[in-house]
Amino acid sequence: AQSVTQPDIHITVSEGASLELRCNYSYGATPYLFWYVQSPGQGLQLLLKYFSGDTLVQGIKGFEAEFKRSQSSFNLRKPSVHWSDAAEYFCAVGRGYGGSQGNLIFGKGTKLSVKP
Amino acid sequence: ETGVTQTPRHLVMGMTNKKSLKCEQHLGHNAMYWYKQSAKKPLELMFVYNFKEQTENNSVPSRFSPECPNSSHLFLHLHTLQPEDSALYLCASSLGGSETDTQYFGPGTRLTVL
Repeated sequence: AQSVTQPDIHITVSEGASLELRCNYSYGATPYLFWYVQSPGQGLQLLLKYFSGDTLVQGIKGFEAEFKRSQSSFNLRKPSVHWSDAAEYFCAVGRGYGGSQGNLIFGKGTKLSVKP
Repeated sequence: ETGVTQTPRHLVMGMTNKKSLKCEQHLGHNAMYWYKQSAKKPLELMFVYNFKEQTENNSVPSRFSPECPNSSHLFLHLHTLQPEDSALYLCASSLGGSETDTQYFGPGTRLTVL
């Protein structure tokens, strides 16, 4: 069965430091991969997505993610974190039901805290 | 403005109450979703509607009853809930029902069952 693992429950980084959030997936075929962000009291917002092609994907707010098939990973990165990036981040994988149903499997999330 | 609104934002109910959650999307989308977000658990898909037709029921107990009268509105009717049903209920919409369609989420309804 498909699954998504985010190994880090909580990460704290200093403002201006670089960030990498880890995501590993379990899926037999080429997955559809997503990163969402959830700020306190808000719904989820899509940061970026990967379907095919270039394995380095650029997203909004200066985020990028790299798909590595050999490692079954889709890690999220940002070169310099801002205090406003403090939020919870969710990795998700599409279940590949022939495109007729938008069913995503989400990881448990990584909460990011930013120190001034 | 996210384009997807949910009311109420907070709801406290007893186990014998009947209440409804409402979701409205102003994005011209055709697919709508209900998710349950519990503490320390992954986001769980509950229901999917595509062009007003239910296309997914992810083994959700019958005490949750969805309704989609048109592509812009989605309801979740609640009755005889249990305390473990306390969670954040998120609504989302997408242009179509494909996994490649970006889902846009509302801010959620925080439900507490006493």
